[in-house]
Amino acid sequence: DAGVTQSPTHLIKTRGQQVTLRCSPKSGHDTVSWYQQALGQGPQFIFQYYEEEERQRGNFPDRFSGHQFPNYSSELNVNALLLGDSALYLCASSLMMGAGFYEQYFGPGTRLTVT
Amino acid sequence: AQSVTQLGSHVSVSEGALVLLRCNYSSSVPPYLFWYVQYPNQGLQLLLKYTSAATLVKGINGFEAEFKKSETSFHLTKPSAHMSDAAEYFCAVSHTGNQFYFGTGTSLTVIP
Repeated sequence: DAGVTQSPTHLIKTRGQQVTLRCSPKSGHDTVSWYQQALGQGPQFIFQYYEEEERQRGNFPDRFSGHQFPNYSSELNVNALLLGDSALYLCASSLMMGAGFYEQYFGPGTRLTVT
Repeated sequence: AQSVTQLGSHVSVSEGALVLLRCNYSSSVPPYLFWYVQYPNQGLQLLLKYTSAATLVKGINGFEAEFKKSETSFHLTKPSAHMSDAAEYFCAVSHTGNQFYFGTGTSLTVIP
């Protein structure tokens, strides 16, 4: 049973460029959340996708956008990259099953460096 | 509003000694609480979770945590540290389980 996978592993971009990160959820999961983890910090929630729609969003600018596909995989897009966007981007998947607790499983992350 | 405070960004213990990593939470409603471990250049691995069942929660690798509502705490412990426990540990709180709020992490060093 494959866990959460993310691609690419590492990425180097220049300020002002755009980047797309990809995530495949754990088998059987239908919900994907994205987090940004700056160096030395805890992960910060960016947004969550369920049924191909953004369901919740953290305190991130509109430069951060996403998409979820019918197979539940997801993309995170960041436009007009800033140096401060350099971070580890984590994808987490879970199962939306009505009221209750949804355990999140994390992928290994994509390390984005903006120069 | 929900938040998590991890006291001590760095903790050092001797191999075989007790591990105690502190976490205090702030939540307006009964929360779900989690401890995750992160090894260098890796994602987060769930150690244990509290979901309003037993207040003493046992996790993987010999770790456990106790939910104390009166102290709004969820400290992580392990009776005997092993070299392989050296890693970054994150406490997280969630109300619905959808959006997680993480602490800033505690780096655990195990001294041989």
